[in-house]
Amino acid sequence: NAGVTQTPKFRILKIGQSMTLQCTQDMNHNYMYWYRQDPGMGLKLIYYSVGAGITDKGEVPNGYNVSRSTTEDFPLRLELAAPSQTSVYFCASSYLQISGNTIYFGEGSWLTVV
Amino acid sequence: GQNIDQPTEMTATEGAIVQINCTYQTSGFNGLFWYQQHAGEAPTFLSYNVLDGLEEKGRFSSFLSRSKGYSYLLLKELQMKDSASYLCAVLGSARQLTFGSGTQLTVLP
Repeated sequence: NAGVTQTPKFRILKIGQSMTLQCTQDMNHNYMYWYRQDPGMGLKLIYYSVGAGITDKGEVPNGYNVSRSTTEDFPLRLELAAPSQTSVYFCASSYLQISGNTIYFGEGSWLTVV
Repeated sequence: GQNIDQPTEMTATEGAIVQINCTYQTSGFNGLFWYQQHAGEAPTFLSYNVLDGLEEKGRFSSFLSRSKGYSYLLLKELQMKDSASYLCAVLGSARQLTFGSGTQLTVLP
């Protein structure tokens, strides 16, 4: 049972570098989400997708891009890394009809920009 | 847009009962979730309410009043392992799941 898989788990980036956080789910879920969580804070929604080919901005999309070319994959791209993007990133996925315990989280990716 | 408020910190004693409140203002409502999160880990699901009333699950209960934009999570017989952050999250009309800032609960012996 792979569930939601995020890679890498840890990464240090230099200011101005770019990178992609990978997220894959094997449950055929329609909905996928990317969140960031700063220390002592809740989760902030960056982008989400309701199905392949469809993406929407969340609360804090600036500095990020996403794509959803397949149902399984929802990569998050940082084009020009900035110290403000130092955070923990969580990917999540869910069924079309969300109810109860149907939202699954990845284990998180710790990103530091120096 | 969506706005979710919950207290930043709470402290309670082992064996006691604690109530964590959450108020929300949303454009559309498709349910309210409570999650528990220990430091360095992903959130884990606790409860889901979409209709008014109380949902009970062992030591944890969650209440929802949609007309008041209000929910609470009730934890009974507190244990040390319940020390964690508790996150209230609302599912909006566009299926976006928005989280509050979380309530850090500390359980004292």
